[in-house]
Amino acid sequence: GAGVSQSPSNKVTEKGKDVELRCDPISGHTALYWYRQSLGQGLEFLIYFQGNSAPDKSGLPSDRFSAERTGGSVSTLTIQRTQQEDSAVYLCASSLWVNIYGYTFGSGTRLTVV
Amino acid sequence: ELKVEQNPLFLSMQEGKNYTIYCNYSTTSDRLYWYRQDPGKSLESLFVLLSNGAVKQEGRLMASLDTKARLSTLHITAAVHDLSATYFCAVDSDYGGSQGNLIFGKGTKLSVKP
Repeated sequence: GAGVSQSPSNKVTEKGKDVELRCDPISGHTALYWYRQSLGQGLEFLIYFQGNSAPDKSGLPSDRFSAERTGGSVSTLTIQRTQQEDSAVYLCASSLWVNIYGYTFGSGTRLTVV
Repeated sequence: ELKVEQNPLFLSMQEGKNYTIYCNYSTTSDRLYWYRQDPGKSLESLFVLLSNGAVKQEGRLMASLDTKARLSTLHITAAVHDLSATYFCAVDSDYGGSQGNLIFGKGTKLSVKP
C-alpha cells in the first residue's frame, strides 16, 4: 500500500482480556517495528522484524506481549491479559533501509484498558 | 545502553523568533533522525542525517549532526504557528550494522504564539 496501515485505530478493552493489533507495512519494506507511546514514557521500542531473521524481542515489557509477522508482510502484536498500564498508543513502522531512509510510521492504535 | 536526550522538553516561542533544539546521545553513531508529531497524529520524518557534518534544511527548519560531540541540533528560523508540534530525534542503535531499531528522545513540545 501507499503507507503503513494499522488497525484498529482505537481499541477499548476490559482488564484481563486479550487484544490483537494489526500492522500492514509498505509493500517491499523488509523491516517492521513496533513501538509504544505513552505519556511520560516517550517512544518505547518493543520488537523488530527484519526479513526472515529471528525477531529482536528485546523491548517487549513482559511475556504477555508477543508479535508475529506472517509471510514477511503483515504483523500482529498480541497483548494477553491486558493491564491498565498497557494503555498507550501502539505505533508500527516499516523501512526499506533504515540507515538511509529512517522509518515510515503508521497512524497507530490507541489502546485503552478499563 | 544508548541514551538520547533532548532539550528543552518544552519550548514556547513567539512568531518570528529563532531557536535551537538540542539532541545529545550517549554512544557512537553516525546516523540521526528527526521526526515531527502533531497532536493525535503519527510521526512524520523530517530529516535523515547520515554523516558527521551533515546539514539539511527544509523551509524554516535546519538540522545538523556532529558525531564527535554526539550532538544534533534542529534550528528554527523565524518561527510560525504552523511549526507548533512535538519534535523527536532518534539514533540508530545498530551502529556499524545494516539495520537496527531507533532509540528516541523524549521529544520537544514546541508552541509558537503570535
